[in-house]
Amino acid sequence: DAKTTQPTSMDCAEGRAANLPCNHSTISGNEYVYWYRQIHSQGPQYIIHGLKNNETNEMASLIITEDRKSSTLILPHATLRDTAVYYCIVRLGSTGTASKLTFGTGTRLQVTL
Amino acid sequence: NAGVTQTPKFQVLKTGQSMTLQCAQDMNHNSMYWYRQDPGMGLRLIYYSASEGTTDKGEVPNGYNVSRLNKREFSLRLESAAPSQTSVYFCASSGDWPYTDTQYFGPGTRLTVL
Repeated sequence: DAKTTQPTSMDCAEGRAANLPCNHSTISGNEYVYWYRQIHSQGPQYIIHGLKNNETNEMASLIITEDRKSSTLILPHATLRDTAVYYCIVRLGSTGTASKLTFGTGTRLQVTL
Repeated sequence: NAGVTQTPKFQVLKTGQSMTLQCAQDMNHNSMYWYRQDPGMGLRLIYYSASEGTTDKGEVPNGYNVSRLNKREFSLRLESAAPSQTSVYFCASSGDWPYTDTQYFGPGTRLTVL
């Protein structure tokens, strides 16, 4: 799986969009980009994933650059409850029945009033 | 639908004591996982089970054993606890392809070894 680089921390005002970047310059063509988050003391929560097209769900949007070397997770209207550590994981799509995710240290997003 | 449940929530052990952490999921998932998270660190995979009856080592298996009791339950055992095993332990589960990499996590067990 390709290595990812994320900023250590970011701040965002409540109600504004939070844009969390992730660099994955060594990504290969069949590797997916996954985002998870971990709210203080809780287990990680899946947010979204994509291969090369932009993706959107009820939680967030994922923008992947055309060369796939970086991506941005967008929380369109951040709230205090979005304060968490956000993990970007690049993962070869698993065709087996188990997946070994590798969590780095992520980006600590602080949403403020 | 409770998702992934873990017991206990907190535990304090003395060095050398043993204990078993319990995990259960009600999503009919084949794959289950055990991770540990040390303060300020990301999660590290201890063991995983791709299906009932199979288990495999992850990144940091030393000092642990696991049992996949049935499709729902996956337990983690510390035979002789050491202070280095003080950590938060998370259990997770995932479905089959193409959903394998979408893992659902339990609330965690906070273990302190004195």
